Amino acid sequence: QQQVKQSPQSLIVQKGGISIINCAYENTAFDYFPWYQQFPGKGPALLIAIRPDVSEKKEGRFTISFNKSAKQFSLHIMDSQPGDSATYFCAASTMEYGNKLVFGAGTILRVKS
Amino acid sequence: GAGVSQSPRYKVAKRGQDVALRCDPISGHVSLFWYQQALGQGPEFLTYFQNEAQLDKSGLPSDRFFAERPEGSVSTLKIQRTQQEDSAVYLCASSLARTGAGYTFGSGTRLTVV
Repeated sequence: QQQVKQSPQSLIVQKGGISIINCAYENTAFDYFPWYQQFPGKGPALLIAIRPDVSEKKEGRFTISFNKSAKQFSLHIMDSQPGDSATYFCAASTMEYGNKLVFGAGTILRVKS
Repeated sequence: GAGVSQSPRYKVAKRGQDVALRCDPISGHVSLFWYQQALGQGPEFLTYFQNEAQLDKSGLPSDRFFAERPEGSVSTLKIQRTQQEDSAVYLCASSLARTGAGYTFGSGTRLTVV
């Protein structure tokens, strides 16, 4: 059973544009929502994470928006650059599950220069 | 080293062969996780260690999969009698905290079963 649904599967954005990736979760016990970036041949790297007590978190060009009532969260990449081209994964976890992460299926982002 | 180190980077195994995948976590990291990532998919949880104790092995797909971390540092994931469906990238991650938040992944071992 997929507990975190991610969309879109792939995304093409022009350089300087905004990339938006969305995720929805089912388990209301989740209390930690990270986003990971993965380049080919590498492991996922943590980009930014949010707890459900805030609705937005910004770090540089990356922003997470969180809607607890809708059980949705999204990643916004401002001023997208060709170097941002990678696969992005949302994830969720809870202390109850021993902190293991449940990942979405991933979004392949391509930023065209 | 500064990161999580996994070896080998690539492994080709004949169906039915046993394999052992190694993970060297960041020194001092308490938590260690193994994930399996199929091609084009997100990582899926396999097992979790806190120091040498295996606290969760609910994600191991069958009794052919076994993991250990005897001294609370290096971990080994062993797969017996490999099958084609075991072909995937096996990722290891470690975290300083017990919470698992913000953990660091290694680059993985790509296992191909032929």
